Formats: sequence, C-alpha cells, structure tokens
Amino acid sequence: KQEVTQIPAALSVPEGENLVLNCSFTDSAIYNLQWFRQDPGKGLTSLLLIQSSQREQTSGRLNASLDKSSGRSTLYIAASQPGDSATYLCAVQPSGNTPLVFGKGTRLSVIA
Amino acid sequence: DAGITQSPRHKVTETGTPVTLRCHQTENHRYMYWYRQDPGHGLRLIHYSYGVKDTDKGEVSDGYSVSRSKTEDFLLTLESATSSQTSVYFCAIRVDRTGYGYTFGSGTRLTVV
Repeated sequence: KQEVTQIPAALSVPEGENLVLNCSFTDSAIYNLQWFRQDPGKGLTSLLLIQSSQREQTSGRLNASLDKSSGRSTLYIAASQPGDSATYLCAVQPSGNTPLVFGKGTRLSVIA
Repeated sequence: DAGITQSPRHKVTETGTPVTLRCHQTENHRYMYWYRQDPGHGLRLIHYSYGVKDTDKGEVSDGYSVSRSKTEDFLLTLESATSSQTSVYFCAIRVDRTGYGYTFGSGTRLTVV
C-alpha cells in the first residue's frame, strides 16, 4: 500500500528566503506526483504535476523535482512571500487507474 | 479549466438523518472522486467513479454510498449521519488530458449534531 509522508508538518520562514518542502513515498512505482496548495477554509489548487518519466517541473518561483528510485519529491519555492503562506500537499497516483494518495501536508508560514 | 461545483457548501444535520452531497462537472471527464479531510488524517478517499454507474470503494467507505447516473454528476450519500462524519468533503475530477492531473471542488463543510 502506497504511503506518502511530508516532513516537517509546519514551517515558518522569513520573507525572501528560499525553501524546500519534502515529500516521500514508500513505493517507487508511481504514475505521477502532484503538488497542491490549500489556503485555510478553501479547496485544493494544483501547483505542479510531474509524470513518472519526468525529473522536474517548473512554474514561476516553484520547482518540483522527482526521484522515483529514492521515493522522494521536493517542492522548491524561491524568494518566498507572505502570500505563499498556506498548506502544501503532495499526492501520488500509484497507477493510471488508481486514485491519488495524499500526504498530510506541510503548513508554511512566511513572515514579513 | 475544468469546472467543478459542490453543493451545498455548508450543512448542519442531525444524527441519524440521511444527507446527500452533490458534485457537478461541466466537462465529461471519466473519473470522479469523493475525499474527506480531517485534522490529523489529511485527505482520505471515500469512493470514486470511473464511469456512469461504475464506482468503487476507498479506504473510508463505511457509512457512505455513491451514485453516478450521469457523467457530470457524482452524488455522495450518508445513509444515517453520525458525529464521526462531521468533516469537510471534497469532490475531485481527473482531467482526461495528459499533464493536467486532478482538479478539486471548493468543498462541503458538514456538521452532524
């Protein structure tokens, strides 16, 4: 059974800092991995999706990497801003027809 | 963008009553999902559908049923609501285009008193 872990559960950084959020998964045979952002009381917003054949994806100040052999993904946020404060969720799709399995998220606070 | 709406957005109901939550998509994506989100547990899959009348259970399906009679609608029913089903419920679709992944609705906050 695929399990997804995100450490740390919470992180507080000063504005402007570059930061890395970590995601690990137990079974390296995955179809894809998706990072989401969730603001308090809101739904999930997709940030980046990495197919199993890809090593990384970039969108603006965000870069997500995937290392299937080690069961790890990282989300890199450059030059963090207070508006980046949210919970970041990592989710793995084990195969093409199976649902996403979620980590419990990392709650990020960027302090001005 | 794939449009997905959930209704109602908020509901308070009494223990023992049936409750139905609705998820509607504006496109014709095949896969739809219901998750619940609780503090300390994250998002957990309740049921999902891979086509009209085709559904399967997730890890927390006890006490829930689903129906999908049309491609665009996926209903989640709590047959007899309990306080343990107080939660935020999210519907999601898997966009049938490579590289798009999942899109989530805004959620339904359900309180069972």
